[in-house]
Amino acid sequence: EAGVAQSPRYKIIEKRQSVAFWCNPISGHATLYWYQQILGQGPKLLIQFQNNGVVDDSQLPKDRFSAERLKGVDSTLKIQPAKLEDSAVYLCASSLETGSPLHFGNGTRLTVT
Amino acid sequence: GENVEQHPSTLSVQEGDSAVIKCTYSDSASNYFPWYKQELGKRPQLIIDIRSNVGEKKDQRIAVTLNKTAKHFSLHITETQPEDSAVYFCAASGRDSNYQLIWGAGTKLIIKP
Repeated sequence: EAGVAQSPRYKIIEKRQSVAFWCNPISGHATLYWYQQILGQGPKLLIQFQNNGVVDDSQLPKDRFSAERLKGVDSTLKIQPAKLEDSAVYLCASSLETGSPLHFGNGTRLTVT
Repeated sequence: GENVEQHPSTLSVQEGDSAVIKCTYSDSASNYFPWYKQELGKRPQLIIDIRSNVGEKKDQRIAVTLNKTAKHFSLHITETQPEDSAVYFCAASGRDSNYQLIWGAGTKLIIKP
């Protein structure tokens, strides 16, 4: 079984620039999550999709972050404009359904300078 | 809402000894408790999970125990090996959290040779 695919692995941008991350979940997984993990901390949920609908985006900073999951498969997360405090690893995860075990991708390490 | 506390934040044990990490949760309606292992620079990986209808679950050197009355669950690693060195995260979820995982802050486990 192929795992959760994410790209890019690393990204360095200057503050106020924009950036986008891509995620392809495990085939057949209806639920997709984007997490932000700051160094030394646990993952923080940004947004959860069930198929192509948003289940929870209460912790997504909507003034600068956006995410979509068109067609209920791949997803993109965008930051525009980036701030220094956005430096973190952005993890995508998927699960068969809500309440099922999560499978994480390798993440994208973002550095904002 | 649910709150998960994890202790200790750092645990150092001699190779071959046992390690125990404990988490407490606040929402009595939580019914799913996974443990994730995250090695340095890598993604979190599910190592074991338990549901509220079970008191204990084992998988080789790893076990998880759940005390619903006291609202705490623990990860037990026996005969620790150098490759057990990592950060371990507990989490809890249930109907009242819309089945979203509420994460502990993590425990850095150091195995001394």
